[in-house]
Amino acid sequence: LAKTTQPISMDSYEGQEVNITCSHNNIATNDYITWYQQFPSQGPRFIIQGYKTKVTNEVASLFIPADRKSSTLSLPRVSLSDTAVYYCLVGDRVSSGSARQLTFGSGTQLTVLP
Amino acid sequence: DTGVSQDPRHKITKRGQNVTFRCDPISEHNRLYWYRQTLGQGPEFLTYFQNEAQLEKSRLLSDRFSAERPKGSFSTLEIQRTEQGDSAMYLCASSRRDREEAFFGQGTRLTVV
Repeated sequence: LAKTTQPISMDSYEGQEVNITCSHNNIATNDYITWYQQFPSQGPRFIIQGYKTKVTNEVASLFIPADRKSSTLSLPRVSLSDTAVYYCLVGDRVSSGSARQLTFGSGTQLTVLP
Repeated sequence: DTGVSQDPRHKITKRGQNVTFRCDPISEHNRLYWYRQTLGQGPEFLTYFQNEAQLEKSRLLSDRFSAERPKGSFSTLEIQRTEQGDSAMYLCASSRRDREEAFFGQGTRLTVV
């Protein structure tokens, strides 16, 4: 699986939009980009997955530029409950979307302040 | 169905003892995964079952570790002769098909003293 690089931590305030960028310079043609969220003492939770351009669901948006060497997870109007670790994973859809050999990095600790 | 269930949530054991964890996946999910997570790190893949067959094992799964899923439903992960380095959160996940998202349980936190 392609190696990913993301910031170790980010702080934000309630109501703001948060953008977390992930670099994946060695992404392969068949690779998808998947983001997971993890709260303390809980297992990771799938947030969103995309291949190119933009994907949006009820939780977040994922922006992927044309070269696909990076991606940005966008969380609109965050609240205190969005404080969590966010992981960016890159790999074949079978592996990155279905947990088989999911390769997690250290993730980005997002702290939302009041 | 409330999701993937793991038992116990916490386990403290003395070094050298054996421990066993249980995972109940979401019903009708035929795929089950075990992960290990240490403090400050992301989860690391350990092993994967499709129904009762163990199809993949990570190099992290030493000989002291064994996982079973005897009837293709719940699974157990046993660690023999525990070491302090085994202290971690052990996570279980399940999915219905290989191309669908996996759902994680809340994990079992093991502390070896």
